[in-house]
Amino acid sequence: AQSVTQLGSHVSVSEGALVLLRCNYSSSVPPYLFWYVQYPNQGLQLLLKYTTGATLVKGINGFEAEFKKSETSFHLTKPSAHMSDAAEYFCAAEMKTSYDKVIFGPGTSLSVIP
Amino acid sequence: GAVVSQHPSRVICKSGTSVKIECRSLDFQATTMFWYRQFPKKSLMLMATSNEGSKATYEQGVEKDKFLINHASLTLSTLTVTSAHPEDSSFYICSARPTGGDQPQHFGDGTRLSIL
Repeated sequence: AQSVTQLGSHVSVSEGALVLLRCNYSSSVPPYLFWYVQYPNQGLQLLLKYTTGATLVKGINGFEAEFKKSETSFHLTKPSAHMSDAAEYFCAAEMKTSYDKVIFGPGTSLSVIP
Repeated sequence: GAVVSQHPSRVICKSGTSVKIECRSLDFQATTMFWYRQFPKKSLMLMATSNEGSKATYEQGVEKDKFLINHASLTLSTLTVTSAHPEDSSFYICSARPTGGDQPQHFGDGTRLSIL
């Protein structure tokens, strides 16, 4: 079955430390992959996406992610965490079905400790 | 950039009433729009795929008669929660995919629905 998993429902990092949020997908055909951020009581904001081409994708706010087909992973990183990065992060995969469904991972809540 | 407007952002109503939520693509056309539901501290669950000019495709377990979807134009889809009850309280988010090209879905800001 097609799915998206995120290891760690909650991650805490110190301000200035590396942020690493993990995402793995399960699909027979590599999907398009996305990372979204959601602040409390708000909608989703696209951080970055991978469709084709370069496997290292740079997004907004200093985030980047690398698509690794052999590992079926799309982990999100940021070299130095900022207090404003505290939010809920969702990895998502657009499966290549007739409806191009987007399946979301369960989310990872990121806390940044001053 | 592509903007999706969702209205209202918050609604509180009595049990038994019907509530309509609008999703508009402001600067692009969208043949396909999607409706998601998000429970507190949970991920988004796709409820249905809304196709302009045809019937929506509902995900397994989603009641078609409870959640009516209409996609009358290339820029507007509506979700009507009929005879709403407290268990329908949730955060509903729509998204729209620009017609043509290889672009991701663009999300609205969501509607917080509270049924008393």
